[in-house]
Amino acid sequence: GDSVTQMEGPVTLSEEAFLTINCTYTATGYPSLFWYVQYPGEGLQLLLKATKADDKGSNKGFEATYRKETTSFHLEKGSVQVSDSAVYFCALAFYNTDKLIFGTGTRLQVFP
Amino acid sequence: DAMVIQNPRYQVTQFGKPVTLSCSQTLNHNVMYWYQQKSSQAPKLLFHYYDKDFNNEADTPDNFQSRRPNTSFCFLDIRSPGLGDAAMYLCATSRDLDLDEQFFGPGTRLTVL
Repeated sequence: GDSVTQMEGPVTLSEEAFLTINCTYTATGYPSLFWYVQYPGEGLQLLLKATKADDKGSNKGFEATYRKETTSFHLEKGSVQVSDSAVYFCALAFYNTDKLIFGTGTRLQVFP
Repeated sequence: DAMVIQNPRYQVTQFGKPVTLSCSQTLNHNVMYWYQQKSSQAPKLLFHYYDKDFNNEADTPDNFQSRRPNTSFCFLDIRSPGLGDAAMYLCATSRDLDLDEQFFGPGTRLTVL
């Protein structure tokens, strides 16, 4: 079945370090891909998305590129801040089902 | 601020004792979703409502039911909670189907004793 695999956390970084959180997917067909973020005590929020191959989603300094050849959607940020500490979820969905399939989430901890 | 509200944030129930979780939204969205997230696992869709139309996921146990009395409110009823139903329950809304952004509440953490 369709699924999403994320790197296990926690990912621990110092402020201003470069961030990569890996995400790969297995799907029959061509899904849309998403990154959601959950800050402490809050609900999940959409961070960015890409709807087709080679699309790049970006928001708040975060980027991810839809790579069909490697079935990946890795999240990157050039310089993380303490305020980026959160849990990040990669997800996929198909246009005709509207069902989000999530990965298990990756906790990011950024220290000053 | 428009938002998705879940009450209570923490719920404790006893094995076999029915429990209801509540979700409300001020976004006036057509679609409301319920997800179950067990510890260290991915959120898993249980069911959703598009307006009054109920859509159950094929693998959602019969023990889980839902009600949507109006646009703003949606309830998750667990008829006979088992220890395996202890989880975080997430409510989400979207304006429409077809991959509209989903807006999530903060979740209700259910403990079953």
